[in-house]
Amino acid sequence: AQTVTQSQPEMSVQEAETVTLSCTYDTSESDYYLFWYKQPPSRQMILVIRQEAYKQQNATENRFSVNFQKAAKSFSLKISDSQLGDAAMYFCAYRSPLGTYKYIFGTGTRLKVLA
Amino acid sequence: EPEVTQTPSHQVTQMGQEVILRCVPISNHLYFYWYRQILGQKVEFLVSFYNNEISEKSEIFDDQFSVERPDGSNFTLKIRSTKLEDSAMYFCASSDVGGPMNTEAFFGQGTRLTVV
Repeated sequence: AQTVTQSQPEMSVQEAETVTLSCTYDTSESDYYLFWYKQPPSRQMILVIRQEAYKQQNATENRFSVNFQKAAKSFSLKISDSQLGDAAMYFCAYRSPLGTYKYIFGTGTRLKVLA
Repeated sequence: EPEVTQTPSHQVTQMGQEVILRCVPISNHLYFYWYRQILGQKVEFLVSFYNNEISEKSEIFDDQFSVERPDGSNFTLKIRSTKLEDSAMYFCASSDVGGPMNTEAFFGQGTRLTVV
């Protein structure tokens, strides 16, 4: 069974600085999808970025980018030029392209942005 | 942009009562899911639904839970006799065709269930 681990329960970053959130996962599958979701206090799940495992190029969405290391089963999220609105809970998630395509989430990292 | 809609946004119920959480998935989607998030914890998979039947369920999804797609547009989660520990945020999600073209599910905004 697949597992997702986020080892940082909480991180802090100064406004305008860069922060990296860590995520590791375990799977025996070769093709899969990885995601980072942001959950603000409203608790809505907002997709930040996604990565297809078959793509070697790291995904980028504006200030958000990932460092995908397939061999190491690592999928970290880098937030550049952090803004106060980035403060939220961030969840890493794994999705198999097989079966029922369910998500498996990590335990989350709470990001605080300091003014 | 199409979105998954959940109602109500917040439901308060007495312990032992039945509740039905409602979701309207994106119209051309085929796969439907319910997830649960107890306050302060991670999001957990409850059940997936495809072709009018449950395709997978977790150990959380016991006999007190059921799902239904009654009319081709709504997707409901019923909890027969609620317990205090059922208090959580419940997320509905849907996705289109499976296989290599399927990359992500779309989540609703959630229903906060409070059992008192």
